[in-house]
Amino acid sequence: NAGVTQTPKFQVLKTGQSMTLQCAQDMNHNSMYWYRQDPGMGLRLIYYSASEGTTDKGEVPNGYNVSRLNKREFSLRLESAAPSQTSVYFCASSVGQGVYNEQFFGPGTRLTVL
Amino acid sequence: AQKITQTQPGMFVQEKEAVTLDCTYDTSDQSYGLFWYKQPSSGEMIFLIYQGSYDEQNATEGRYSLNFQKARKSANLVISASQLGDSAMYFCAMRDTGRRALTFGSGTRLQVQP
Repeated sequence: NAGVTQTPKFQVLKTGQSMTLQCAQDMNHNSMYWYRQDPGMGLRLIYYSASEGTTDKGEVPNGYNVSRLNKREFSLRLESAAPSQTSVYFCASSVGQGVYNEQFFGPGTRLTVL
Repeated sequence: AQKITQTQPGMFVQEKEAVTLDCTYDTSDQSYGLFWYKQPSSGEMIFLIYQGSYDEQNATEGRYSLNFQKARKSANLVISASQLGDSAMYFCAMRDTGRRALTFGSGTRLQVQP
């Protein structure tokens, strides 16, 4: 049982390049999330997927797109990377949308945009 | 709007002593959940403890306890008998019925000294 996995762990991009961050969970969770963490700050929600087939914007969605490929996988795409998107990206999942549902986090992807 | 405030950017504690990390929150919902996560230098987010707004007793998980004062809207984390391995960033987070994901505070960096 791997929990939440993310690939890649590290990535360096040039401004304007595109890439997709992959996330998968094996806990049969319905809800999945993408957060970013900037230095000295807590995590901020980029997008989430309440259930398979649905996605919604979070606090900071500009410059990103997501795909809930199936129940297990939730990818985050940067179409044209900008230096402001340099951050650590975390994927998370939870059983559902209840206020008591703990979120389980992946190990993070450290992205640098030059 | 939801908000989580952690007023202590950094804390020091001697090994084997107890330490309290402060967290205040703001929500107009009656139903909400409060979470604490630990982020060691390796970067992963580790769930520590959860408190529901309707829980009458303070949550405890091993050496971690949550001092929940609903009227004051505070949810402080208490770590008893600190260990060197407790040195990390600690984040308070909240979820209420109006929001689909966690709102995080800015974190407290705890350093345990031998």
